[in-house]
Amino acid sequence: NAGVTQTPKFRVLKTGQSMTLLCAQDMNHEYMYWYRQDPGMGLRLIHYSVGEGTTAKGEVPDGYNVSRLKKQNFLLGLESAAPSQTSVYFCASSRKETQYFGPGTRLLVL
Amino acid sequence: SQQGEEDPQALSIQEGENATMNCSYKTSINNLQWYRQNSGRGLVHLILIRSNEREKHSGRLRVTLDTSKKSSSLLITASRAADTASYFCATGTQGGSEKLVFGKGTKLTVNP
Repeated sequence: NAGVTQTPKFRVLKTGQSMTLLCAQDMNHEYMYWYRQDPGMGLRLIHYSVGEGTTAKGEVPDGYNVSRLKKQNFLLGLESAAPSQTSVYFCASSRKETQYFGPGTRLLVL
Repeated sequence: SQQGEEDPQALSIQEGENATMNCSYKTSINNLQWYRQNSGRGLVHLILIRSNEREKHSGRLRVTLDTSKKSSSLLITASRAADTASYFCATGTQGGSEKLVFGKGTKLTVNP
């Protein structure tokens, strides 16, 4: 099992460009999450999903959209990237309380 | 807003010593978890303690929970250089989404 995978690993964007981050899990988990991690801030929840076709806002949702069309995939979109979105993005999935994390996507917005 | 706050922010010890990290939180919880993050990697779950438990062990890890003080501690005994990492506490509440709120972490350095 690959667990949780994230694509891409690293990306550089210019302000105003758009992109989609892909998260995939092969553990048949119902719940999936997108976090961002900034220096000294820990992890903050952007959006999450409790099942296929459902999404909900987390702590810092502004500027991001998500979709969960298939149970195994959770997509995070940036429609118009801003320098404040420079961060490391982590995806996680869970069946119950314990979350399993992907390796992260490092995003730099110039 | 951050629910858990770890203390200290950074800790440096020698191999073989014990490392203790603390976490305080603000609201009622269903469970509290500790995760480890090696530099540049994703988080890895270490241990979970439920609100009705006071202490839990897993290998060299010992976690305590005091719900009256809204605090938890993580003890790593006989530390090794490989334990060098950042450690995060995360609190879970009831509600069906299994969301977690993470603290800012303690950066542990174990010197050989």
